[in-house]
Amino acid sequence: GAGVSQSPSNKVTEKGKDVELRCDPISGHTALYWYRQSLGQGLEFLIYFQGNSAPDKSGLPSDRFSAERTGGSVSTLTIQRTQQEDSAVYLCASSLGQGMAEAFFGQGTRLTVV
Amino acid sequence: GDSVTQMEGPVTLSEEAFLTINCTYTATGYPSLFWYVQYPGEGLQLLLKATKADDKGSNKGFEATYRKETTSFHLEKGSVQVSDSAVYFCALRENTDKLIFGTGTRLQVFP
Repeated sequence: GAGVSQSPSNKVTEKGKDVELRCDPISGHTALYWYRQSLGQGLEFLIYFQGNSAPDKSGLPSDRFSAERTGGSVSTLTIQRTQQEDSAVYLCASSLGQGMAEAFFGQGTRLTVV
Repeated sequence: GDSVTQMEGPVTLSEEAFLTINCTYTATGYPSLFWYVQYPGEGLQLLLKATKADDKGSNKGFEATYRKETTSFHLEKGSVQVSDSAVYFCALRENTDKLIFGTGTRLQVFP
């Protein structure tokens, strides 16, 4: 597609359930990033990929969070046993793998844990 | 690790006022620096960037200069408009390609 696509756009889930968030980056972009934006807060770095590898997973809040990327394209962020504090907007971005390259953002997935 | 620090908002200005939003960074290498903007109800988009010391990025009347000696990348605009009301994020990209953002600064411009 023309831009970064995230699905679903909104997700309401019950506490304790697992959720999967999907990101379709721009074709040809080797770098892919996941961030979390809580209400009124900044962008919290979660994880990024270079191709299918994740050089830095340091931002994942707990072992309930995991992410993978296959074929150097689509990525999924999985949250197991969701908690209310997981409620936030989850943003995905992609870019060419060059230091000065612009990162393009998706519209995000708004996750609400009830 | 590397980090970005922005001034806390909100910043409230009248139309045509001068704007400065401070941003400083900590980095072990020579990062690229960016300003992103998030307009109400929209996604983040790049506003401007600079890739080496003394570079000046500019767009839509905004500008920022990469100052290595003070590790800063302050955003400025000479005359703000109501349509500039948004949240502004300073960011750095390490040589490893990790992209780190500041906490964001909300700008509110009133007529």
